[in-house]
Amino acid sequence: GAGVSQSPRYKVAKRGQDVALRCDPISGHVSLFWYQQALGQGPEFLTYFQNEAQLDKSGLPSDRFFAERPEGSVSTLKIQRTQQEDSAVYLCATKRGSSSYNEQFFGPGTRLTVL
Amino acid sequence: GQQVMQIPQYQHVQEGEDFTTYCNSSTTLSNIQWYKQRPGGHPVFLIQLVKSGEVKKQKRLTFQFGEAKKNSSLHITATQTTDVGTYFCAGRMDSSYKLIFGSGTRLLVRP
Repeated sequence: GAGVSQSPRYKVAKRGQDVALRCDPISGHVSLFWYQQALGQGPEFLTYFQNEAQLDKSGLPSDRFFAERPEGSVSTLKIQRTQQEDSAVYLCATKRGSSSYNEQFFGPGTRLTVL
Repeated sequence: GQQVMQIPQYQHVQEGEDFTTYCNSSTTLSNIQWYKQRPGGHPVFLIQLVKSGEVKKQKRLTFQFGEAKKNSSLHITATQTTDVGTYFCAGRMDSSYKLIFGSGTRLLVRP
């Protein structure tokens, strides 16, 4: 596609529910990142995939967070037993290669609100 | 841990005035990128700086990377209402693909 797409754009969950957030990268982009952006803050790194391999998940805040990219394209971020502190915008970003010097293209984000 | 600090948090200027945001890292960076996020939007890449002391210009925007590769700045000359948004710096440490974002500077421009 023309850009990175994410779905849903908005998600309201009751505390304790599981949610799944989807990211469709730009075709052919090898690298995929997930970020969490709290209101008024910069994006915070969650996890990184190179193709289907999850090379870094050091930013995932707890074991309730899980990400996958089984075929090296679409990625899903799953949050189990959501808590109010999980409320944030979740951004997906992809880049063409694996070099440190490529720019990242961000999707529109999924705004998660946990009640 | 690795931190990238950004100041000021907010800047409210009259259209036509200049604007500068500053970014400081606690550790040496291999490169730094700048992004702009419009209200309700997502971050959009502006530029990347790699070399010590590097200066790059994009029309009214001037980006600098410090000699020690620990700080950077973005300067906008003669702001316009279209410049409104939050400007983020994002630094990368050596041998890492991870971007560490600053907290951003929100620019408001009075017409």
